Amino acid sequence: EPEVTQTPSHQVTQMGQEVILRCVPISNHLYFYWYRQILGQKVEFLVSFYNNEISEKSEIFDDQFSVERPDGSNFTLKIRSTKLEDSAMYFCASSTRLADTQYFGPGTRLTVL
Amino acid sequence: GESVGLHLPTLSVQEGDNSIINCAYSNSASDYFIWYKQESGKGPQFIIDIRSNMDKRQGQRVTVLLNKTVKHLSLQIAATQPGDSAVYFCAEKPPPSNTGKLIFGQGTTLQVKP
Repeated sequence: EPEVTQTPSHQVTQMGQEVILRCVPISNHLYFYWYRQILGQKVEFLVSFYNNEISEKSEIFDDQFSVERPDGSNFTLKIRSTKLEDSAMYFCASSTRLADTQYFGPGTRLTVL
Repeated sequence: GESVGLHLPTLSVQEGDNSIINCAYSNSASDYFIWYKQESGKGPQFIIDIRSNMDKRQGQRVTVLLNKTVKHLSLQIAATQPGDSAVYFCAEKPPPSNTGKLIFGQGTTLQVKP
């Protein structure tokens, strides 16, 4: 069964450093999303992406965040200058169509020291 | 602001019993609702969904009920098994409908006692 994959599984970085989180969505999916989950809290929407454009972004997704689909398979989330409060699990999701089920990857645990 | 909430943070049930997990959503214009299961250290796993034009939908051992009058969503798990132990999140898709954004609730931890 196809699934969303994410790398790395765990990323440790120093405050102020740039990180890139990588995702490979399910191959025939056209809509891509990033969510994050701070430990013990609910999953929060960050951004949705379709046709090489951001469809919507949340208040969390400020100028320090960016997304890119550099090729036909990868979907990345970049945090330019990490802050302590960026420490969380980051989940990538994808769906075939906008109204369809979003399937989530296993997540990347980002720890900012 | 927007919020999707759950009535109970933890539900403990005996193996073999039925479980009912509840969720209250805030946006009456939301047209799509999903239940996800999250096991420790893993991503949310799709369980079942329902669109706003339906009241009930059944899957394998799971049923989702939607009451739009009181903005309430529930997940029923029949014959609960130890493997059902996890955190369960409801999520809603509010308008506008052209972005796919999901809003998640706080989550209910289901503990299944053998």
